[in-house]
Formats: sequence, C-alpha cells, structure tokens
Amino acid sequence: DGGITQSPKYLFRKEGQNVTLSCEQNLNHDAMYWYRQDPGQGLRLIYYSQIVNDFQKGDIAEGYSVSREKKESFPLTVTSAQKNPTAFYLCASSSDRGIAFFGQGTRLTVV
Amino acid sequence: GENVEQHPSTLSVQEGDSAVIKCTYSDSASNYFPWYKQELGKRPQLIIDIRSNVGEKKDQRIAVTLNKTAKHFSLHITETQPEDSAVYFCAARGGFQKLVFGTGTRLLVSP
Repeated sequence: DGGITQSPKYLFRKEGQNVTLSCEQNLNHDAMYWYRQDPGQGLRLIYYSQIVNDFQKGDIAEGYSVSREKKESFPLTVTSAQKNPTAFYLCASSSDRGIAFFGQGTRLTVV
Repeated sequence: GENVEQHPSTLSVQEGDSAVIKCTYSDSASNYFPWYKQELGKRPQLIIDIRSNVGEKKDQRIAVTLNKTAKHFSLHITETQPEDSAVYFCAARGGFQKLVFGTGTRLLVSP
C-alpha cells in the first residue's frame, strides 16, 4: 500500500520535553514538507527538504529541527524551545511534478 | 520568500450557486499552483492544480484560472452541493520546491 505515513496519530508531551514525529513515504518522492495547523488556521511551513541530506527552514522553524538521512524519512523534532507546540502537524511529500500528498497528521498536546 | 494570500476566509452560498475563492502570490518564480480541500479532521486532498504555462483548467464543476502578470489565481466551483462544504487551501510552489499555502477558506453550502 503506497503512500505517506505519520506516527503517532496522537502525542502528549510534558513541558520541557523533546518529542519526535515520524513521517515515512514509499512514493519515491524527493521533496518532503512539515506543516503546522492550528484550529481554524492555515498550513504554516516549518521545514522542507528538496533532496536527501538537505533541508531548508520554512516560515516558523524556531523550536523545531529535522533530518533527512534517507529519501523515505523526514522526522520532525519539537524541542523544548518551542513554547506553544500544541497543534496538528502534517507531513507531505511531492514528486518533481509538484503534486503533494499528505499524511494523516499527528495531533500534539502539551500536558 | 513566497507569500500567499487567500480571500475570503469564509464563504456561505446556497446550494446550486457558484463559489469563487481568490489567491495572490508574491514570488514571480512560482510555477505550480494547487488547490486542496480539507474536510473536518482529515488530511488535505488535491482537487485541481494549474501550472504557470496554462491560463485556465477545468475539471467538471471545478475550474482554476491563473493570471501570471497580476500574480492572481482563483478557484471556481459551479452548481455547489452540500458535500462541497469544507476548507479550501490554495498554494504556490517556488524555488527549491518550497510549497507555501494560503490561510484557507471555509466554504459552507446550505441546502
């Protein structure tokens, strides 16, 4: 079954903790993206990667970090420096044609 | 960097009416403009897209127009149905495959 998979679906974080959100795709896409969505808000770009071992900051990168060691994987770490991390996080991947497919999302809550 | 503005933020129409959502972008190098539909609690899904070498594209009740000179693109939905009710996002892809989204339009189609 081809597609893009995010895990976990729900994640709870204590204040001061780092947490990592997983994103895996088997679509052979070069580009991958992380977006944050707050209730009633749009999709804000956190980080994106055009190719393995390379990534760029998006519009709201502060308090987040990523890695792109494999083409299939683009994990996002929410660090303790992110003061308001409660949100819905969406990962996407796209071919060079540009069509982007989204994962199911991870809902992160600070407890 | 790319900035995408989307209007209106909410749109209410009667079933059978047409709906138009407008977006503007800032990066003249952007060459790909997709539209996504997001139903409550679900991931965004691509509904139509247009590339910079095309002025208009139609798919059944949905059409998209692009004015490169003015950096405008619009989504047109004709003969709206209650199942069209959702949040719609426009996006623009620029350099390094950076994909930036608008803030979304909540469309409500009343029977």
